[in-house]
Order: sequence, then structure tokens, then C-alpha cells
Amino acid sequence: QLQLQESGPGLVKPSETLSLSCTVSGVSISSTSYCWGWIRQPPGKGLEWIGNICFSRNTHYNPSLQSRLTISVDTSKNQFSLKLRSVTAADTAVFYCASRMEWLQYFDFWGQGTLVSVSS
Amino acid sequence: QSALTQPASVSGSPGQSITISCTGTNSDVGVYHYVSWYQQHPGKAPKLMIYDVNKRPSGVSNRFSGSKSGNTASLTISGLQAEDEAKYYCSSFTTTSTWVFGGGTKVTVL
Repeated sequence: QLQLQESGPGLVKPSETLSLSCTVSGVSISSTSYCWGWIRQPPGKGLEWIGNICFSRNTHYNPSLQSRLTISVDTSKNQFSLKLRSVTAADTAVFYCASRMEWLQYFDFWGQGTLVSVSS
Repeated sequence: QSALTQPASVSGSPGQSITISCTGTNSDVGVYHYVSWYQQHPGKAPKLMIYDVNKRPSGVSNRFSGSKSGNTASLTISGLQAEDEAKYYCSSFTTTSTWVFGGGTKVTVL
């Protein structure tokens, strides 16, 4: 059974870089079948898709975040990561990592989520 | 990309049926059969309930069903139960190879 677990700092200062990792268990992150993504949810608000990376290394980013965003894979740790630069208070959210099969357009496995607050 | 439009809240009595709408555009809901629905209880991660408009993952009750007409998708919950009280989000794949979510609908079981 595929499982995902987010990790990273719970507090980031404004203008700095938010960095999160998602550890994948139950499947190799190098599997040709999977894509790995991030979705966030500001407190009390709805879900916002952030971006995906697939085995083929195709990446797709939310256009509203693209200029500040990098999603990458670390095969040695079976992890994928998110870096969001120049954060502001508006980036405060619960961040979820999620997975989908590359040929399917829905996210069937999710991490439990991790709250990241942006504050000085 | 704009969020899909969902009603803020829907309510029903136990045993009744309710329907949640999700309106998009001809760049997302209207052009693909790739609408999915997620259930989220407070403090929990979203759970996939419907994918590809009307398919149910293994383990999801057949009381949940989905449909689509034009730019609007719908989720119907029949035989409403107390455990169905949660927030529901629709999502669609888009013509720019991105995903968009709805604002969420809170379902209340009266």
C-alpha cells in the first residue's frame, strides 16, 4: 500500500524559501507509473493544486506559483520535494503531498498534511 | 485559472438524497471526462470519492454517484448518513495540463 508523509519546518519567515519533503513508502519513486504532486489548503479555505512531477520528469506547475516554485525528486531517499521562494503570509497553509498514476487525472493517495505558517 | 464554482453548503436529513454542483468552463469540466470528487473531514486529508466523472474507487459506498452535463458536474449522495457530514471538493483536469479545484461544499446532516 502506497503511503506518503510530509516533513519540513512548520514556520518560515517572510521572503524566505519554504521547503518540504514527502517520503514515499510502498513503491519506488522511480516507478514509471507514478506522478507526485503537492496541494495546499490555507486555514479555513479550499484546496489549491500546486504542481506535479512524473517519472518522465515532466513537471506541471500552477501558473500563479510557477515563478517561485520547484518540485524535484530524490531517488536515493525515495522522496520528492517542494521549494517555494519569496513566501508571504498568503502562503500559510496545510500542504499535502499526493500521488496519481501518470495516465490518470486524479489523486488517489494523500499524505496527512503539514501546516506551514509564514510569519516573522 | 479560476476555481470551479460549488455551493457553500448543502444540507439534508438522514436517508434523503442531496446533490452538489460543480461548475467550470469549456477549458476544464466541459471538455474532459476528468472530474473527481474528494471528501474531507475536519483536520483530515481529502479522500477520493469519485473519479472520471462517475467512477467509484474500491471501498467507496455506492451511495455516492457522479454525473456531468456540459460545464457542470454533480455529486449525489443518496441515503444520507451522519458520517457523510464533511466538506466536498470537486476537481478537474484542464486544457493547460493543470488541475483546478472547487471552493468546497459543506454537507450538513440535519
